[in-house]
Amino acid sequence: NAGVTQTPKFRILKIGQSMTLQCTQDMNHNYMYWYRQDPGMGLKLIYYSVGAGITDKGEVPNGYNVSRSTTEDFPLRLELAAPSQTSVYFCASSKGPYNEQFFGPGTRLTVL
Amino acid sequence: DQQVKQNSPSLSVQEGRISILNCDYTNSMFDYFLWYKKYPAEGPTFLISISSIKDKNEDGRFTVFLNKSAKHLSLHIVPSQPGDSAVYFCAANFNAGGTSYGKLTFGQGTILTVHP
Repeated sequence: NAGVTQTPKFRILKIGQSMTLQCTQDMNHNYMYWYRQDPGMGLKLIYYSVGAGITDKGEVPNGYNVSRSTTEDFPLRLELAAPSQTSVYFCASSKGPYNEQFFGPGTRLTVL
Repeated sequence: DQQVKQNSPSLSVQEGRISILNCDYTNSMFDYFLWYKKYPAEGPTFLISISSIKDKNEDGRFTVFLNKSAKHLSLHIVPSQPGDSAVYFCAANFNAGGTSYGKLTFGQGTILTVHP
């Protein structure tokens, strides 16, 4: 039981490049989330999903897209990377809205 | 506008003593609160939670207190251990008109250092 896994662990992008951050969970959770954490700040919600095929925006969705074709996977797509997207990205999943969220180890992204 | 605030960036305590971490919130639509612990280069891990209908929840060395009228919650760790040294985040779940999707708003975090 691996929990929530994220790939890659680290990535450096040039301005304008695109990439997909991968997130997979093996706990059969319906709810999945993407957060970003900037230095010295708390986590901010980018997008969330309450089940396969259902996604919605969080607090800071601009510059990102998501899809949820299966229960297990919730990839986050960055189009036209900008320096403001330099951050650590965390994926999380939970059984329901009032259950604890389990977090992945994070992806550290730098945009230069 | 920061809806969840942890006003103490850091806290230092001696091993065996009590650690008290504080969190304030402004939005009365928050109905469920959680504390997470985070070590460097790892994802946050869940510690303890409390529903807005309760004022206290206890789990081993960890107790969370909720004062709804003051919009304040605190995490007590007794006794504190060096392994508790980490960043602690409080988080609040938003409930809009009876519907919740687990959308959490996090505070900025408090760095706890427990000295041996």
